[in-house]
Amino acid sequence: NAGVTQTPKFQVLKTGQSMTLQCAQDMNHEYMSWYRQDPGMGLRLIHYSVGAGITDQGEVPNGYNVSRSTTEDFPLRLLSAAPSQTSVYFCASSALRGSNQPQHFGDGTRLSIL
Amino acid sequence: GDSVTQMEGPVTLSEEACLTINCTYTATGYPSLFWYVQYPGEGLQLLLKATKADDKGSNKGFEATYRKETTSFHLEKGSVQVSDSAVYFCALRAYGGSQGNLIFGKGTKLSVKP
Repeated sequence: NAGVTQTPKFQVLKTGQSMTLQCAQDMNHEYMSWYRQDPGMGLRLIHYSVGAGITDQGEVPNGYNVSRSTTEDFPLRLLSAAPSQTSVYFCASSALRGSNQPQHFGDGTRLSIL
Repeated sequence: GDSVTQMEGPVTLSEEACLTINCTYTATGYPSLFWYVQYPGEGLQLLLKATKADDKGSNKGFEATYRKETTSFHLEKGSVQVSDSAVYFCALRAYGGSQGNLIFGKGTKLSVKP
């Protein structure tokens, strides 16, 4: 059981470049989300989705786009990378949007913007 | 809005010492509460959870009790091991203000010395 798979694990970009962070889950979870983790800041929600075709903004959405065309995949796009987007990015999913369901996390993508 | 406050670290303990990491929360709905653990270089793993008042979550010798009267969910372990060295995150999930999204504290880094 693969769970939540994130690719790539590491990436270095130059300012202004674009890229897509991939996230896939094989648990048929309706709810998926993206977080960024920065030192001393904990995890902050970027975007989330409660099902295919439905996305919404989290706490820190600026500079990021998402789409959800299938239940399994939830890619995160950086259209024009900035040094402030240097961070570790985590994708997570859960079975239901109900409050008692824990989220399952991927191993993260470590992104550096030069 | 919903929020989680946990004690700041880092916390350094000797092996077999007792551990308490304090966590308090503010939520407009009826949250479920979680502790996640992040080992170096890895993603977040669910450590334990509690979904209603007075529930006790437990796993791997760790315990936390959902205290509605004090809005707290403190993490405890009677005898820590070197292998417990990690970052611990308290989190809540609720309907209402946070729309079912997971809200994290900033994390507490624990180092256990032999």
